[in-house]
Amino acid sequence: SQQGEEDPQALSIQEGENATMNCSYKTSINNLQWYRQNSGRGLVHLILIRSNEREKHSGRLRVTLDTSKKSSSLLITASRAADTASYFCATDAKGGGNKLTFGTGTQLKVEL
Amino acid sequence: GAGVSQSPSNKVTEKGKDVELRCDPISGHTALYWYRQSLGQGLEFLIYFQGNSAPDKSGLPSDRFSAERTGGSVSTLTIQRTQQEDSAVYLCASSPARRDSYNEQFFGPGTRLTVL
Repeated sequence: SQQGEEDPQALSIQEGENATMNCSYKTSINNLQWYRQNSGRGLVHLILIRSNEREKHSGRLRVTLDTSKKSSSLLITASRAADTASYFCATDAKGGGNKLTFGTGTQLKVEL
Repeated sequence: GAGVSQSPSNKVTEKGKDVELRCDPISGHTALYWYRQSLGQGLEFLIYFQGNSAPDKSGLPSDRFSAERTGGSVSTLTIQRTQQEDSAVYLCASSPARRDSYNEQFFGPGTRLTVL
């Protein structure tokens, strides 16, 4: 079953704008990760944030984590058409044996 | 270097038949995971192998599903007596599974299974 939920489910923006996606989860975690998926196939790891971190940056990506609210956000700045994809958060739960529990995903469309 | 590979990329089968899906993880990765992605269900964990430890089978949906990992490398997911609800993309991932809090998983392209 899905532990996490993401919102929005779908997001459409213009190239150059920023995109923000949110993720909520239910259990205590070791870390939270964001993945990207194109065309319903393999996932690509974007960024990992540990439970004791609050913010992390990687290129045009910025991730925040609030463990008190059990939530995370992914910000993509200066979006490009090539950023069009589905984005998933995934949690590595404490005591969960390293398996990831994925959120429901946000479909991002960046239009020219 | 080579990433995670899966075969076949697509599989169409008839209800009631058995299927085998293969995963070749990244060389040296000790952890291997199977996930399933189906419409309306999102991504769900199926099974996890870590070295020589007993696999975590807690995500397998029924006893028709089984998986093996031979020699700590290649894994095969077997679905017996397939049902239409088994139709999904089956994703394999591998990880170095370090003992710290990092657990980045590298995913293969998936096998799209269609049960008619």
